[in-house]
Amino acid sequence: DVKVTQSSRYLVKRTGEKVFLECVQDMDHENMFWYRQDPGLGLRLIYFSYDVKMKEKGDIPEGYSVSREKKERFSLILESASTNQTSMYLCASRREWALNYEQYFGPGTRLTVT
Amino acid sequence: AQSVTQPDIHITVSEGASLELRCNYSYGATPYLFWYVQSPGQGLQLLLKYFSGDTLVQGIKGFEAEFKRSQSSFNLRKPSVHWSDAAEYFCAVGAGAMKTSYDKVIFGPGTSLSVIP
Repeated sequence: DVKVTQSSRYLVKRTGEKVFLECVQDMDHENMFWYRQDPGLGLRLIYFSYDVKMKEKGDIPEGYSVSREKKERFSLILESASTNQTSMYLCASRREWALNYEQYFGPGTRLTVT
Repeated sequence: AQSVTQPDIHITVSEGASLELRCNYSYGATPYLFWYVQSPGQGLQLLLKYFSGDTLVQGIKGFEAEFKRSQSSFNLRKPSVHWSDAAEYFCAVGAGAMKTSYDKVIFGPGTSLSVIP
């Protein structure tokens, strides 16, 4: 069965801390994505990676960075967390050239920055 | 630029009643359209998708959606709602040719569905 896991369901961090959100997929997918979900705004793309060590900025990359050293793992990094980064973070993966272009989502990490 | 609107922020229906969730998109070419569902505490799951061909598409859990190019709409329907359908529903449009790694999916703001027993 397809599976995307995220390291934490809930996370509380202080302003200025460095925060790592981890995502792992077991489907050997080439593409991986990080989204931010806020009420009334839907999902907004932060970064995506189309292959190992490759990354592209999404629509709202400011304040975030990513790392993809292995195919199955995609990390989102908040270099210095701020209160406006309090949100739900969703990771997704997709097989490149897949006919249905379906993205598979993890359960999400709800991050609170105080 | 591509965009997706879902006019209804929240909808409440009685169990057994029919359901229609509205979605309108803005895109210059033939769109790739999706409906996702997010149950409480869960990630998003694909309900159905439209790429081409028959404008009425069937999905999982008894859902269907109809693509109407003239109205730029892709409304989601279900003839009889079950209590387990209470969730957040997201409409999305594929931006780009959906043939490369760079193609993105743009999500609408979501519609929250409550079901009264």
